[in-house]
Amino acid sequence: EIVLTQSPATLSLSPGERATLSCRASQTVSSYLAWYQQKPGQAPRLLIYDASNRATGIPARFSGSGSGTDFILTISSLEPEDFAVYYCQQRSNWPLTFGGGTKVEIK
Amino acid sequence: QVQLVESGGDVVQPGGSLRLSCAASGFSFSSYGMHWVRQAPGKGLEWVTFIWSDGSDKYYADSVKGRFTISRDNSKNTVYLQMNSLRAEDTAVYYCAKELGRGYYFDYWGQGTLVTVSS
Repeated sequence: EIVLTQSPATLSLSPGERATLSCRASQTVSSYLAWYQQKPGQAPRLLIYDASNRATGIPARFSGSGSGTDFILTISSLEPEDFAVYYCQQRSNWPLTFGGGTKVEIK
Repeated sequence: QVQLVESGGDVVQPGGSLRLSCAASGFSFSSYGMHWVRQAPGKGLEWVTFIWSDGSDKYYADSVKGRFTISRDNSKNTVYLQMNSLRAEDTAVYYCAKELGRGYYFDYWGQGTLVTVSS
């Protein structure tokens, strides 16, 4: 099973700041990695797939990069609605796995 | 628009069974694989199972293999999750999710249904 490790666990930032979230895989997943956003009481929402492709309707301030074992989700300038938990997910191997999440909170 | 509506969540005793349903609308259901993903209270996401668009192949997480069964009825636009031999650690919100169609990602999710396993 591929283990995804997200860091940091919590990121405290102010609106307008840049957020950089990391996801590291225990073995290569090529570019088969996605990012999701989840707000309290809601289902997750797909942001990025195949490491760098924005899903339909996702604002350009969200971008993804990386390949192999190291991936980054960047939010260029945080909006109030961006404070949430973010998960990475790999689809390189079965079983599909998620990272433990990074909470982006208001500083 | 795409809609996924789960139902069937309940409180069940350890060792019991439950069947969840997910009714889909707004897309060509028979053309897409479907997943179940769960989230224990206050915890992260755990993928549970996946079924191909025609139901011909299925995948399971090790934690549920042999106890859970995914199925679908394309005539009813519905995917099911039969859960047997339930354990306390199966307590979670269960989401059904549609596959993106470009790989095994989840592009639309239902609102979730809560399963509580407790005596």
